[in-house]
Amino acid sequence: AQSVTQLGSHVSVSEGALVLLRCNYSSSVPPYLFWYVQYPNQGLQLLLKYTTGATLVKGINGFEAEFKKSETSFHLTKPSAHMSDAAEYFCAVSDQRRNTPLVFGKGTRLSVIA
Amino acid sequence: EPEVTQTPSHQVTQMGQEVILRCVPISNHLYFYWYRQILGQKVEFLVSFYNNEISEKSEIFDDQFSVERPDGSNFTLKIRSTKLEDSAMYFCASGEAGYQPQHFGDGTRLSIL
Repeated sequence: AQSVTQLGSHVSVSEGALVLLRCNYSSSVPPYLFWYVQYPNQGLQLLLKYTTGATLVKGINGFEAEFKKSETSFHLTKPSAHMSDAAEYFCAVSDQRRNTPLVFGKGTRLSVIA
Repeated sequence: EPEVTQTPSHQVTQMGQEVILRCVPISNHLYFYWYRQILGQKVEFLVSFYNNEISEKSEIFDDQFSVERPDGSNFTLKIRSTKLEDSAMYFCASGEAGYQPQHFGDGTRLSIL
């Protein structure tokens, strides 16, 4: 079985400050890892993904995440927060079989203060 | 950019009634999924569908749920006799064969009265 833990249901940062959203996973098999963002009244949009290869992955809107197997973590970062980054962020894991379902964390709401 | 579309955006139904949620996946995708998100809780997998049959389903997906691909474009989720606890946001997703990630629609908010 797989699971995801997102530390902090709500994170608040100042505009221009570093964004760090934490995600730890549990998986008995090599994982695929994802970050999705949900803006109000919208669906889930893929920010970035880790499948194989480079452990530092870059996504849209200046976000990146690093897969650390030893720490079972996949934290999301952005050097400088923008007001438009305010949203709900979900970390998800799946195994490496084809097209398997995603297991989501509970989400972290990011607020950006002017 | 191609997108997954879901209709309706909001559905209000009396308890015990049947409801059908509709989704149009991205046209070249072959894998289809339904997830739900009860207010304040995590997004949960319901069912996946490939080659006109269910490939995986969760414990949530009991006999009151069914999925169908009635034509070449639509993918539907039917709840036969709705319960209050079925109130949630339901997301449809689709994916290319053998390739993650899944692309999600904007969801249908289902409210059971």
